[in-house]
Amino acid sequence: SQTIHQWPATLVQPVGSPLSLECTVEGTSNPNLYWYRQAAGRGLQLLFYSVGIGQISSEVPQNLSASRPQDRQFILSSKKLLLSDSGFYLCAWSSRKGGASQPQHFGDGTRLSIL
Amino acid sequence: QKEVEQDPGPLSVPEGAIVSLNCTYSNSAFQYFMWYRQYSRKGPELLMYTYSSGNKEDGRFTAQVDKSSKYISLFIRDSQPSDSATYLCAMRRETSGSRLTFGEGTQLTVNP
Repeated sequence: SQTIHQWPATLVQPVGSPLSLECTVEGTSNPNLYWYRQAAGRGLQLLFYSVGIGQISSEVPQNLSASRPQDRQFILSSKKLLLSDSGFYLCAWSSRKGGASQPQHFGDGTRLSIL
Repeated sequence: QKEVEQDPGPLSVPEGAIVSLNCTYSNSAFQYFMWYRQYSRKGPELLMYTYSSGNKEDGRFTAQVDKSSKYISLFIRDSQPSDSATYLCAMRRETSGSRLTFGEGTQLTVNP
């Protein structure tokens, strides 16, 4: 079966520091991968999605970037964190077989607090 | 106006009650409809996934889609304290790749 791993689960960082969050998927190949942010009292906001290695689409202009160095690895980064970057970051995957009909499955997220 | 509206609650019910959770939407192009359950400090877990209008049942859960009214529902029968969570509706167009549009979630508490 497929599993998705995110780490760390919790992170506290000072303003202006760099960020690297990692997500890996097991049990499937060539998945679509996604980064979302969930703010308190709000729905999920799509930040980036990727349909293949090195292919990244950005949904929201911001202080963050994403990379996909391997088929099942997705990384969310920032060079300099802002207070507004605080939130709950979720990685998700979906199968590319069947095209748009496949649902997305989420990891357990990273809770990021900026001080 | 948001594309997807969902009452955030909180909703509190006694154990054994039938729970009804709802979302309305404005974009008639949405074709795929999902319900996710999210426990505190966890990621959303896919509960129900339906295409176009109709009903789908899975154990104690029933999802309904009424595209003519742009309204979707999730019913939980014989609710249990373990059902206490936030429930998120999500939907997607057929041609927009895999972009999901989410509701803000309804917080449900089932009291023993």
